[in-house]
Amino acid sequence: QLQESGPGLVKPSETLSLSCTVSGDSISSYSWSWIRQPPGKGLEWVGYMFYRGTTNYSPSLKSRVTISVDTSKNQVSLKLDSVTAADTAIYYCARGPNRGFDPWGQGTLVTVSS
Amino acid sequence: QSVLTQPPSVSGAPGQRVTMSCTGSSSNIGANYDVHWYQQVPGTAPKLLMYGFSNRPSGVPDRFSGSKSGTSASLAITGLQAEDEADYYCQSYDSSLSASVFGGGTKLTVL
Repeated sequence: QLQESGPGLVKPSETLSLSCTVSGDSISSYSWSWIRQPPGKGLEWVGYMFYRGTTNYSPSLKSRVTISVDTSKNQVSLKLDSVTAADTAIYYCARGPNRGFDPWGQGTLVTVSS
Repeated sequence: QSVLTQPPSVSGAPGQRVTMSCTGSSSNIGANYDVHWYQQVPGTAPKLLMYGFSNRPSGVPDRFSGSKSGTSASLAITGLQAEDEADYYCQSYDSSLSASVFGGGTKLTVL
C-alpha cells in the first residue's frame, strides 16, 4: 500500500514537497518512483530512486527535482523547486520501474497558485 | 509530443476484439526495452495491466494480451466488456533520453 501526502496548494516559485508512506514492503528492497498527471492530461514520469540509492530524473525536471528515501519512516519523498502553474498535477508514487510501475498510490492533487 | 505514440481513441461493441498500438523508435521499443501497459479508469489511479510486453499481473483477465513487433507494441482486448472503458497508457525506457517514457494514452469507448 502506498499513500501520498502533502500540501494541496503551493505558491508559485516555492517548493513542492510530498511524502509517500509505504506499508507492507521494506522500502530498502525496492525502487520507488514519482509520476504526475496534469488535470485532464496524460501521465508524465518524474523520477525514481533505485534500491541501491541512485536516482534518475526526467530530463525536463532534472534541475528542480529531488527524490529521497527515509528508511526509518518507510517513506519516499519528492521535492520540486521553483514551481509554476505548469506543475499543477495529481502526483502519484509507485513501486518500480522494474517490471513496470506497480502498485500505485491513490495520488494527491497539487495546485500551484497564489 | 510523446516519445511513444498512441492513437487518441479506439472503440468497440461489447464482446468484440479491439487493439491499440504504441509506436516508438530504435531508442526504446526497437532497442528491446520492455513495454508496460496501464489501465486508468477516470478518477482513479493507473493500474498495471501488462508488463514486459506480454505478462499479465495476477488478477488481470486473460482477455488482455500484449505483443511487440519492431518498434511498436500492441495491446489487445477480446470479449470487450463495459468495465473495460478506460484510458490505456504504454510505457517504456528510452536510452537516448535515459528516462522512462509514457505514451499519450488511448481512450477506449465501449459502444
